Amino acid sequence: ETGVTQSPTHLIKTRGQQVTLRCSSQSGHNTVSWYQQALGQGPQFIFQYYREEENGRGNFPPRFSGLQFPNYSSELNVNALELDDSALYLCASSPGTSGSEETQYFGPGTRLLVL
Amino acid sequence: AQSVTQLGSHVSVSEGALVLLRCNYSSSVPPYLFWYVQYPNQGLQLLLKYTTGATLVKGINGFEAEFKKSETSFHLTKPSAHMSDAAEYFCAVITYRFRGGADGLTFGKGTHLIIQP
Repeated sequence: ETGVTQSPTHLIKTRGQQVTLRCSSQSGHNTVSWYQQALGQGPQFIFQYYREEENGRGNFPPRFSGLQFPNYSSELNVNALELDDSALYLCASSPGTSGSEETQYFGPGTRLLVL
Repeated sequence: AQSVTQLGSHVSVSEGALVLLRCNYSSSVPPYLFWYVQYPNQGLQLLLKYTTGATLVKGINGFEAEFKKSETSFHLTKPSAHMSDAAEYFCAVITYRFRGGADGLTFGKGTHLIIQP
């Protein structure tokens, strides 16, 4: 069983640009969640997808958007990048069969730097 | 809305000493509680979780935590610290939304555990 993988590991962008981060969930996991972890902070929930539909969203603006695909991969897209978007972006997958008590399995993250 | 408070951004203990990392939560409905560990430049790894049932939960690497509803606490302990325990520890809570679906995990700000030789 492979774990959760993310690409790229590091990324540098300039303010105003757009970025796409990718995640590959564990096989059979129908739910994927994305989190933003600023330096020295705990992760903050961005949104969650279940079977290719957005299932929940945190306090993030619409320029943060996502997609989930049938092959257990997903994307986080951020438009009009701002300096404060610099952070570690974490993807987490879970089986999506028993709800909130499920364990979320995290990937290693993508570190984004916005200049 | 739920929230998590971790008391102490840094905790330092000697190798072999008791580890105690504090977590208090706020939730209007029964919570599910988690402790995750993060090593440098890595993602988060689940240590243990409380959903229902026994309030004393045992996890990996000798860690355990006790859910105390009256104190709204879920403190993490380990009887004897090891050098390899040095890492960032996060307490998190999740609650089911009433109309179905789920909110994501709400994390505390983390506690950096330092192990002194």
